[in-house]
Amino acid sequence: QSALTQPASVSGSPGQSITISCTGTSSDVGGYNYVSWYQQHPGKAPKLMIYDVTSRPSGVSNRFSGSKSGNTASLTISGLQAEDEADYYCSSYTSSTTVVFGGGTKLTVL
Amino acid sequence: QVQLQQWGAGLLKPSETLSLTCAVYGGSFSGYYWSWIRQPPGKGLEWIGEINEINHSGSTNYNPSLKSRVTISVDTSKNQFSLKLTSVTAADTAVYYCARGHRDSSGYYYPDAFDIWGQGTMVTVSS
Repeated sequence: QSALTQPASVSGSPGQSITISCTGTSSDVGGYNYVSWYQQHPGKAPKLMIYDVTSRPSGVSNRFSGSKSGNTASLTISGLQAEDEADYYCSSYTSSTTVVFGGGTKLTVL
Repeated sequence: QVQLQQWGAGLLKPSETLSLTCAVYGGSFSGYYWSWIRQPPGKGLEWIGEINEINHSGSTNYNPSLKSRVTISVDTSKNQFSLKLTSVTAADTAVYYCARGHRDSSGYYYPDAFDIWGQGTMVTVSS
């Protein structure tokens, strides 16, 4: 199984909105509404930010939102804050009944 | 508050067996899927596999690329699950995480959503 494709890096200024894409195939992202997003700060475990394409776990800010179109899912962060600077990973269920992650995107808050 | 605490050997020689254990504190063990995920230094996440403890199923599911070398097992009496990876090489050097599969308030399970993570264990394979 190949990793999902994410941009290596994105950046934005405080208060702005950014979007991170996650491209897969019809055997994973495009085939199921099982896409999640994780935030990982250096030296820390990942934190679940979005699941079920658009759902937020309890306690996650509504500045984080998810969407999907075809084989590409997206994470949007609005009202960018300094503490949002982190690595972000997408994941998807696959037709092989496994889980595949994206390569990760480094978000820099300028 | 559910917490996962993991432990295991951090330095292995090539061909040895990696062995890690994850203990679940403060919540239900039998109602969830439990997974292992790893992250090589400076790289992305890789799903290793899972064990289904919903209704004490005990069924497992592994990443095909690791399937021949991986075993995930549980000790329900201790609320623990374990990972064994045989014949390790330098390519297995990574931070290994245990994690809980997410179920929403209605009990629906999301197979790629991991809502509680262990602290991570750095495993280095070197001669």
